[in-house]
Amino acid sequence: AAGVIQSPRHLIKEKRETATLKCYPIPRHDTVYWYQQGPGQDPQFLISFYEKMQSDKGSIPDRFSAQQFSDYHSELNMSSLELGDSALYFCASSTSGRGGETQYFGPGTRLLVL
Amino acid sequence: GNSVTQMEGPVTLSEEAFLTINCTYTATGYPSLFWYVQYPGEGLQLLLKATKADDKGSNKGFEATYRKETTSFHLEKGSVQVSDSAVYFCALRGSGGSNYKLTFGKGTLLTVNP
Repeated sequence: AAGVIQSPRHLIKEKRETATLKCYPIPRHDTVYWYQQGPGQDPQFLISFYEKMQSDKGSIPDRFSAQQFSDYHSELNMSSLELGDSALYFCASSTSGRGGETQYFGPGTRLLVL
Repeated sequence: GNSVTQMEGPVTLSEEAFLTINCTYTATGYPSLFWYVQYPGEGLQLLLKATKADDKGSNKGFEATYRKETTSFHLEKGSVQVSDSAVYFCALRGSGGSNYKLTFGKGTLLTVNP
């Protein structure tokens, strides 16, 4: 079965640079979530989109922005990168609806800021 | 807000031992509950879920029962294998409105020795 695709899988950037992470949800999934997992930490919710509109917002820095496109893929744009942004970034997708819909996670993008 | 409290690790067991990882939650309404597993260097995989009180989720020999009276969702397995070594995350998905993001526990590292 098709899974969530994330690219790139690994990314190395310098401080103050920008990065763009991409997420391609499972076919027919219309909701996308972004999470950040620091080393040895639990995943923290950043932002989500449903039908191309932002549906919820968590602890996402103002330096980050995201959007969902007409084909439902999503991009997380990160600017003025800091050392503390080094983390594993997960995208998850689900179908919409009320309660219980399972979020399926991609393999993650490992970002290292030097 | 929603929160998940998970048994601190690490947990080290011998093969064929019984496993319990405790998880309790705080939430309003009727959340859905999940266990995700993360193998070394990999993404998050759904292990099992329960969407309403008294539901039992099960997969690959793992079980967890949604107990509303004790706000718990403890993970159990009768006989662990070396291949079960991973980090296990208990997670909660809110109900209603836009509250569909996952809130994770801190994760429990399980190591199973031969």
